[in-house]
Amino acid sequence: QSVLTQPPSVSAAPGQKVTISCSGSSSSIGNHYVFWYRQLPGTAPKLLIYDTNKRPSGIPDRFSGSKSGTSATLGITGLQTGDEADYYCGTWDSSLTAVVFGGGTKLTVL
Amino acid sequence: QLQLQESGPGLVKPSETLSLTCIVSGASISNSNYYWGWIRQPPGKGLEWIGSIHYTGSTYYNPSLNSRVTIFVDMSKNHFSLILSSVTAADTAVYYCARHKGGTPEDDLDLWGQGTLVIVSS
Repeated sequence: QSVLTQPPSVSAAPGQKVTISCSGSSSSIGNHYVFWYRQLPGTAPKLLIYDTNKRPSGIPDRFSGSKSGTSATLGITGLQTGDEADYYCGTWDSSLTAVVFGGGTKLTVL
Repeated sequence: QLQLQESGPGLVKPSETLSLTCIVSGASISNSNYYWGWIRQPPGKGLEWIGSIHYTGSTYYNPSLNSRVTIFVDMSKNHFSLILSSVTAADTAVYYCARHKGGTPEDDLDLWGQGTLVIVSS
């Protein structure tokens, strides 16, 4: 069981917007930056969002991150079939003194 | 350009020790601005952080694995290694090495190796 809670799956049509939630606690999301990864089948995770709401170079502004209290959200607009992947949130947990991840969310673009 | 490459045996027997190395190219592992980490992913499951290390030897381990894990740096070879003892089938996973972008293990893991599958089986 993961320390951070994500929905197992989400879906939306091409061109639409989708959000993926990530729920934690005061010792994790509540007091630390959140990062998000996308993982295509058979490949390593790729960083999408760091410091809760910043995008690395090369990541389009269709991807956004936000946080409120002990929950974080990844938003993806203008969905494309190529966005179908698994998405993971992560952060530091100061109670565990550990990096923690969510269980992952499978995005389907219908 | 910085690249990370995992290496090690793909098959380990139950109760034995798993040993993997992450070769860092394109940058010095002794750069004080980075921590270096290991993450694993069992087949069909999510990501699990194993632990992270700074070249000074400062380490952080997943509490659930702490008693079985050792991570160390070899600056002469510019690589860092993972040792996991007393493995079971539950340790079967793709093992990734990665870099924390900042100078603490709290920072995001911005660069990853391609991963290597380790199967625990007799």
